[in-house]
Amino acid sequence: SQQGEEDPQALSIQEGENATMNCSYKTSINNLQWYRQNSGRGLVHLILIRSNEREKHSGRLRVTLDTSKKSSSLLITASRAADTASYFCATEGSSNTGKLIFGQGTTLQVKP
Amino acid sequence: DSGVTQTPKHLITATGQRVTLRCSPRSGDLSVYWYQQSLDQGLQFLIQYYNGEERAKGNILERFSAQQFPDLHSELNLSSLELGDSALYFCASTAGRTMSFADTQYFGPGTRLTVL
Repeated sequence: SQQGEEDPQALSIQEGENATMNCSYKTSINNLQWYRQNSGRGLVHLILIRSNEREKHSGRLRVTLDTSKKSSSLLITASRAADTASYFCATEGSSNTGKLIFGQGTTLQVKP
Repeated sequence: DSGVTQTPKHLITATGQRVTLRCSPRSGDLSVYWYQQSLDQGLQFLIQYYNGEERAKGNILERFSAQQFPDLHSELNLSSLELGDSALYFCASTAGRTMSFADTQYFGPGTRLTVL
């Protein structure tokens, strides 16, 4: 079963614009991770944010985590055509097994 | 390149058959995870192995089984295949050197299974 819901399901923007994707989850977590998947290919890890962190940056990526609202957001600034992909949030629960529960994903299209 | 390898890349087989998917984790990684990605179910965790032992189980069917060998590579066996088993199967690995899990999972390129 899916832990999280992502919003929006699909997003289309122009190159240079910012893209924001949101993820909500249901149970307590150890950490939340964001992954990118190019069409039909493997998942690429983008960023991991721990449950005691509120914000994290990596290059053009900014992730926030609000554990009180059980939600996270991924912001991609100054988007590029190469950012076109599906983006998934994944939560690692408090069971300490490391297993990830993925959201349904947001499909991002960046138009040149 | 994540350092995780999976073979084969593509597999086409018939209903009722049995297949084996293979995963080699990143060098030194002790934990291997298997996931299934299908259009209707999305990405689902199947099973995890840590240093040769099963550690966690998800929505894995009884027709499916896995193991991790002493050299840490893992195999996922799918038997009595049905049309609905057609999916992308990913494995991922983490260092898992301690029991404190907050490790990035590195995913392999996946095996695309088509059951006809």
